[in-house]
Amino acid sequence: NAGVTQTPKFQVLKTGQSMTLQCAQDMNHNSMYWYRQDPGMGLRLIYYSASEGTTDKGEVPNGYNVSRLNKREFSLRLESAAPSQTSVYFCASSEGGTRWDTQYFGPGTRLTVL
Amino acid sequence: DQQVKQNSPSLSVQEGRISILNCDYTNSMFDYFLWYKKYPAEGPTFLISISSIKDKNEDGRFTVFLNKSAKHLSLHIVPSQPGDSAVYFCAASAFSGNTGKLIFGQGTTLQVKP
Repeated sequence: NAGVTQTPKFQVLKTGQSMTLQCAQDMNHNSMYWYRQDPGMGLRLIYYSASEGTTDKGEVPNGYNVSRLNKREFSLRLESAAPSQTSVYFCASSEGGTRWDTQYFGPGTRLTVL
Repeated sequence: DQQVKQNSPSLSVQEGRISILNCDYTNSMFDYFLWYKKYPAEGPTFLISISSIKDKNEDGRFTVFLNKSAKHLSLHIVPSQPGDSAVYFCAASAFSGNTGKLIFGQGTTLQVKP
């Protein structure tokens, strides 16, 4: 099992460009999450999907959209990238959507917006 | 406003000694706490958790202590090993909605010297 995979690993964008970060999990988990990690800020939840077909906002959703394509895949889209979105993005999944369910993280995507 | 704070950005200890990582929180609605460990270029991995009905939880070399009155938790690693060198994040969850939403601290980088 690969667990949680993310593509790409690295990306450089210019301000105003758009891109989609891809995430897939092979653990048959119901819930998936997108976080960003900034220096001195820890991880902050952007969006999450408790189950296939549902998505909800986290702490910092502005400037992002998400799609739960199917049970395996959860993508994060930046429509018009800004330098403030330079960050490391982590996708995670958990078997259930409760706080008792362990979240398993992917290796991250390092995004730089110039 | 940082609801979960790890005030020590870094900690260095000698192999075999005890490592103590601290975490403070401000939201009295938090009642479930977790520690994650993160190696460079990898995603965080779950380490240990504690519910507010307990004041201690132990798993091998790792023990988490919770002081609800002080809104403080700590992670003890005994004995520390060089492989424990990583960034440690504490995270907290509130009961409302019983979702998987976690609030993370900024992280503490632990270096264990041989």
